Amino acid sequence: AQSVAQPEDQVNVAEGNPLTVKCTYSVSGNPYLFWYVQYPNRGLQFLLKYITGDNLVKGSYGFEAEFNKSQTSFHLKKPSALVSDSALYFCAVRLEYGNKLVFGAGTILRVKS
Amino acid sequence: DAMVIQNPRYQVTQFGKPVTLSCSQTLNHNVMYWYQQKSSQAPKLLFHYYDKDFNNEADTPDNFQSRRPNTSFCFLDIRSPGLGDAAMYLCATSRDSRATNEKLFFGSGTQLSVL
Repeated sequence: AQSVAQPEDQVNVAEGNPLTVKCTYSVSGNPYLFWYVQYPNRGLQFLLKYITGDNLVKGSYGFEAEFNKSQTSFHLKKPSALVSDSALYFCAVRLEYGNKLVFGAGTILRVKS
Repeated sequence: DAMVIQNPRYQVTQFGKPVTLSCSQTLNHNVMYWYQQKSSQAPKLLFHYYDKDFNNEADTPDNFQSRRPNTSFCFLDIRSPGLGDAAMYLCATSRDSRATNEKLFFGSGTQLSVL
């Protein structure tokens, strides 16, 4: 069965510092990987996805993610964090031949000024 | 500019009293999903419609039903809500669930409380 793990419940970063939100996955085939962000009292918003090709994927709001097949990871990164980046971040995976999107438990990102 | 709209934003119901949550979309997407998200947990897929075809997840309780009268609207019916059904319910859409690289568009959710 496919699954996604986000090992950190919360990540704290100072504004202007780089941030990383970790995600590892487990699937039997080729994964399609996604990051979504959820601001308070809002639905989830799509940030970026990895389908195939370059391992470094660039997305919305200056975020990027690096796909690492050997480590089965898809960590979300941003070179310089903003206070407005504070939110709940979800990693998700979908099987190549399936249509169910499975979410990780989420990581709260807190950026302090 | 809202594309996936959920009403109401907050819903309070009584234990055992049927409740219906609404979702509408202006994207003309084929697929509509309902997710349940409990506090500090990942969204869990309950079911989805591909056009008029209903696809239920194996572990979705029978207490949860859905209707999609047309492309734009989808409803979540909880026949006899229990205290454990208190959660945020998220509606989402995508153009085609069979395209595995499709992204989902989410509504703002309905926070359901059961008293």
